[in-house]
Amino acid sequence: AQKITQTQPGMFVQEKEAVTLDCTYDTSDPSYGLFWYKQPSSGEMIFLIYQGSYDQQNATEGRYSLNFQKARKSANLVISASQLGDSAMYFCAMTSSQGGKLIFGQGTELSVKP
Amino acid sequence: NAGVTQTPKFQVLKTGQSMTLQCAQDMNHEYMSWYRQDPGMGLRLIHYSVGAGITDQGEVPNGYNVSRSTTEDFPLRLLSAAPSQTSVYFCASSYSRRGLTTTNYGYTFGSGTRLTVV
Repeated sequence: AQKITQTQPGMFVQEKEAVTLDCTYDTSDPSYGLFWYKQPSSGEMIFLIYQGSYDQQNATEGRYSLNFQKARKSANLVISASQLGDSAMYFCAMTSSQGGKLIFGQGTELSVKP
Repeated sequence: NAGVTQTPKFQVLKTGQSMTLQCAQDMNHEYMSWYRQDPGMGLRLIHYSVGAGITDQGEVPNGYNVSRSTTEDFPLRLLSAAPSQTSVYFCASSYSRRGLTTTNYGYTFGSGTRLTVV
């Protein structure tokens, strides 16, 4: 069975500093995709970044990068130069070659301090 | 493009009432799925579909029915609402694209339906 684990219920970071949100996963499927989503207090799910299991390089999207360590089954999100608007819940999720469904972690609540 | 459209955005039901949450996508994605999100938790899969006429259960299917008669629509039916079904419901559509050496996946979420059962 697939599983996503986020072990940090809450994190604080100073504005303009970098922060790493942890995510580990478990799957026996060789083909899978890993996602990070941001959920602000308004409730919508905002896609941040995607990493495919066969991608050789770590994914990057602006200030977001995904530290993909396949052997360790980890997919940590790195946010560089944090902004006050980054305060939100962050979810790690995984899909597999079965298609059509995402498995989510419990989430990490990030608070950015001025 | 509208992407994924969920209606209604808010709903209050009495225990025992039935209702249908609507979900429509205009991206021609083959997959669609429903999730519920309870306070302080991640999203949990209720049902999903890999194509028109094909559905399957997720992690928390009890109390919910789905059908998929077209590629575009994937309604979620609550047969007899219970307070335990008070939650925020998200619909998503998705695709997988197989290349020579890799497969890429993409998901688009609707804006959610906040359901309260009293």
